[in-house]
Amino acid sequence: AQSVAQPEDQVNVAEGNPLTVKCTYSVSGNPYLFWYVQYPNRGLQFLLKYITGDNLVKGSYGFEAEFNKSQTSFHLKKPSALVSDSALYFCAVRDHTGRRALTFGSGTRLQVQP
Amino acid sequence: DAGVIQSPRHEVTEMGQEVTLRCKPISGHDYLFWYRQTMMRGLELLIYFNNNVPIDDSGMPEDRFSAKMPNASFSTLKIQPSEPRDSAVYFCASSRTGGQNTEAFFGQGTRLTVV
Repeated sequence: AQSVAQPEDQVNVAEGNPLTVKCTYSVSGNPYLFWYVQYPNRGLQFLLKYITGDNLVKGSYGFEAEFNKSQTSFHLKKPSALVSDSALYFCAVRDHTGRRALTFGSGTRLQVQP
Repeated sequence: DAGVIQSPRHEVTEMGQEVTLRCKPISGHDYLFWYRQTMMRGLELLIYFNNNVPIDDSGMPEDRFSAKMPNASFSTLKIQPSEPRDSAVYFCASSRTGGQNTEAFFGQGTRLTVV
């Protein structure tokens, strides 16, 4: 069975500082990894994905994530946080088999203070 | 494309009533997913379809829940009878086969309150 762990319920960071939201995963074989963001009363918006290739992937709104196979991690990062980045962030995984459904982590609330 | 469209956005119903949630996936997408989001359990997969055929319904909580996809552009999730513990936000998402286009796109969700 596949699973995702987001160890922090909330991350607080000052505007302009770098941010990291942590994610580790468990899956059989090679993973497909995703980050989504959810703003209040909205659906999940796709940010970025790792399929294969470069371990550092870049996505929307200046976010990037680094795939680390040995540590089974896929941490979300941004060099300089904005107040508007405050939202709920979900990491998700699926494997390379026919099962297409994503398994999500519990979510991390990012709070960026002015 | 307008994205995944869900209706209604909000639904308040009394315990015991039937509730039907609706979803229109993105045109050309052949996978459709229903998820439920609660504070206690986070995002849970209920069921997903491929080419209108249910592939995995192991997440459907019990027989009170049923889902259909009569054609490529429409799906329903029905709860009958509804119970207060069904209160949650229900999301529909769609994706397409092929290449590296594996991400799912989500609708705005339906917030269901059962009183």
